[in-house]
Amino acid sequence: KAGVTQTPRYLIKTRGQQVTLSCSPISGHRSVSWYQQTPGQGLQFLFEYFSETQRNKGNFPGRFSGRQFSNSRSEMNVSTLELGDSALYLCASGSTPYEQYFGPGTRLTVT
Amino acid sequence: QQPVQSPQAVILREGEDAVINCSSSKALYSVHWYRQKHGEAPVFLMILLKGGEQKGHEKISASFNEKKQQSSLYLTASQLSYSGTYFCGTEGAQKLVFGQGTRLTINP
Repeated sequence: KAGVTQTPRYLIKTRGQQVTLSCSPISGHRSVSWYQQTPGQGLQFLFEYFSETQRNKGNFPGRFSGRQFSNSRSEMNVSTLELGDSALYLCASGSTPYEQYFGPGTRLTVT
Repeated sequence: QQPVQSPQAVILREGEDAVINCSSSKALYSVHWYRQKHGEAPVFLMILLKGGEQKGHEKISASFNEKKQQSSLYLTASQLSYSGTYFCGTEGAQKLVFGQGTRLTINP
């Protein structure tokens, strides 16, 4: 089985812009979770989707949003980017939200 | 509630043993362990379920004591390939909550 894929792998944006990250889960997995990873904060949960419904959301501002499509692919959007949004964004899929197979991540740099 | 890992960092020589602890302030039903190598995504190592069972992966094993609400990861005769950051994750409200990580460095 192919693993979780994320695109793009690297991204450089300017403050104030918006960005959309994409995640394709492992075939058959309906749960997709997103995490933000920074050196100081570790793995911070953003949100989880299951069958196109957001079931859970972490403590992030409304600038962070996501969605899931009928084929389980998911996108994450960050609007009005801030310098502090620079991080590695990881997507994970599983049969349940507790089973997490991670993708390689998208490294976002905001300048 | 985020589980607490200790120590935050460990430096070992190849062949030495290490123990990484993960404790929670709330009741645990399971503990998940992941390893993340530098520049890579976290990789699932094992899951420990209620019952205090011990599991193993290569020369890495773990225990889970639900009464003490903690889990320990044991790395025996460490190899260079064990270097990385180890995370424990606990289940809560339809999500995994990860500890802050323990950075393990193995020197030759």
